[in-house]
Amino acid sequence: DIQMTQSPSSLSASVGDRVTITCRASQGISNYLAWYQQKPGKVPKLLIYAASTLQSGVPSRFSGSGSGTDFTLTISSLQPEDVATYYCQKYNSAPFTFGQGTRLEIK
Amino acid sequence: QLQLQESGSGLVKPSQTLSLTCAVSGGSISSGGYSWSWIRQPPGKGLEWIGYIYHSGSTYYNPSLKSRVTISVDRSKNQFSLKLSSVTAADTAVYYCARVDPRRTIDYWGQGTLVTVSS
Repeated sequence: DIQMTQSPSSLSASVGDRVTITCRASQGISNYLAWYQQKPGKVPKLLIYAASTLQSGVPSRFSGSGSGTDFTLTISSLQPEDVATYYCQKYNSAPFTFGQGTRLEIK
Repeated sequence: QLQLQESGSGLVKPSQTLSLTCAVSGGSISSGGYSWSWIRQPPGKGLEWIGYIYHSGSTYYNPSLKSRVTISVDRSKNQFSLKLSSVTAADTAVYYCARVDPRRTIDYWGQGTLVTVSS
């Protein structure tokens, strides 16, 4: 099965910073990659699908890129409400494996 | 607005079977193109995809859990269910039910229910 590896596992940044999270698949998955945001105590929320398509209602400071095995989630200007854990998930074929998560905090 | 609500036992003894149900409201579980999934999250840890049942009734399970998992659907009650047998403490987690849309991303989640495995 394809494994999904995120880096870093945790990240601390200042408000206004540009933040990048990486997700790597152990085999190519084309662009079948989604990013979810899970705020503390909340249900995960879809941010990006097809590696780079922003879900409706998601702020434009979020963006995604990549194809094949290497993907990134970028927050162009970090806001306090972005404190959360971010997960990538592959969905080219089952099992729809998640990455282990990246915990983002404000410095 | 679609809503999903998990229910079931919050405490299960080791070696027994965990049983959860997800009631779907605001839409039909038989809608074409959608599948219905279970995902879990151990306390303080990441998300683990358990499996799904397609609107046609076909199922797919995470290979790591396949020997212990059954997902089924009751169309008359507009709900689907999870059974996980031979549980251990490692199965303690918040269990989420979710809808998977035709592009295979998760568009609706239940609120999650904590299941603790303990004697």
